[in-house]
Amino acid sequence: GAGVSQSPSNKVTEKGKDVELRCDPISGHTALYWYRQRLGQGLEFLIYFQGNSAPDKSGLPSDRFSAERTGESVSTLTIQRTQQEDSAVYLCASSLGYRGGNYGYTFGSGTRLTVV
Amino acid sequence: QKEVEQDPGPLSVPEGAIVSLNCTYSNSAFQYFMWYRQYSRKGPELLMYTYSSGNKEDGRFTAQVDKSSKYISLFIRDSQPSDSATYLCAMRGGGNKLVFGAGTILRVKS
Repeated sequence: GAGVSQSPSNKVTEKGKDVELRCDPISGHTALYWYRQRLGQGLEFLIYFQGNSAPDKSGLPSDRFSAERTGESVSTLTIQRTQQEDSAVYLCASSLGYRGGNYGYTFGSGTRLTVV
Repeated sequence: QKEVEQDPGPLSVPEGAIVSLNCTYSNSAFQYFMWYRQYSRKGPELLMYTYSSGNKEDGRFTAQVDKSSKYISLFIRDSQPSDSATYLCAMRGGGNKLVFGAGTILRVKS
């Protein structure tokens, strides 16, 4: 597609439920990233996929968080047993990775998650 | 101490003013520096990209990097109400993972 697409745009869930967030990156972008942005705060790195390499999971805050990516396409971020502190905007970005000189990311509009 | 420090503001200026936004960092391995602009309820969009030290100009925007001081700046000339947004600095070393500042909220009053 023309840009990075994220769904759903908004999600309200009850504490303790599992949620799945989806990201569709720009075609041809080998690198995909998930960040979390809490209200009034900067972007917190969660996980990074680069081609077929093992993902960098160093930013995942707990074992309730996991992510998968199929090849160089769609990624899903799953949060199990959601807690109120998980409420945030979850941003996905993609980039050309090592294929391009400019490694700037293109972000999606994010999924706004509210845990009640 | 955070790797990247950025004053969250808000910074409020009159239309037409010159705006200066800044970040400091602690990791000397950083060599790629970027500025992103984020409008409310939107994802950040890449505004400026600079490699190593020096200046880069694009229209009303100028990015400066001083690696010796570990200090980067974004200048906006002739600021417009449409420039009102959150500005995030970001940087990385040799890998692909960007480290972001907390963002500065800018308000340009007409």
